[in-house]
Amino acid sequence: EADIYQTPRYLVIGTGKKITLECSQTMGHDKMYWYQQDPGMELHLIHYSYGVNSTEKGDLSSESTVSRIRTEHFPLTLESARPSHTSQYLCASSDLGPAYEQYFGPGTRLTVT
Amino acid sequence: GDSVTQMEGPVTLSEEAFLTINCTYTATGYPSLFWYVQYPGEGLQLLLKATKADDKGSNKGFEATYRKETTSFHLEKGSVQVSDSAVYFCALISGNTPLVFGKGTRLSVIA
Repeated sequence: EADIYQTPRYLVIGTGKKITLECSQTMGHDKMYWYQQDPGMELHLIHYSYGVNSTEKGDLSSESTVSRIRTEHFPLTLESARPSHTSQYLCASSDLGPAYEQYFGPGTRLTVT
Repeated sequence: GDSVTQMEGPVTLSEEAFLTINCTYTATGYPSLFWYVQYPGEGLQLLLKATKADDKGSNKGFEATYRKETTSFHLEKGSVQVSDSAVYFCALISGNTPLVFGKGTRLSVIA
């Protein structure tokens, strides 16, 4: 079954650690996205990609980086985690074209202590 | 730029009540419009969509009609259930840009 996966689901780490949040999809979608969701529910686009070797920054300034070496894989990395990075991170993917829905992963809840 | 404004919550309703969540948009061109739902502890999932003016999207008893003249896409359901408790997001996409989301409306339905 086609799906989009995120690991880990929950992560608690100390300040200064480097972390990578994984996102993979089995649908062959060209477009992939990372969102940060604050406790007030609002979604903020932090990175997106329209294909291999293509990445763009979103609306929210973020200290994270992303890579897109394979179509199905879109990891997000924080070089040095800080308490301000504590949040829910959602990954999504979609086909090309404006009317195609975005499929979301279950999210990673990150807590930086 | 493009934007979506939806009513702020939280919205609390009794079971079997009528639901309306207002959504208006500003966009250049002719956007496609979406409603997404997020159940507790999960990611978002598409609830319904409409791709052109006067289209009506519907799913699971929810409906929304794309109104170009009022730039609106209000979500309605005739009789809500406790299982409808979730956060609802209105969104649009125009051209090749990423989805633009509203801020979300939390719905709580009590038995």
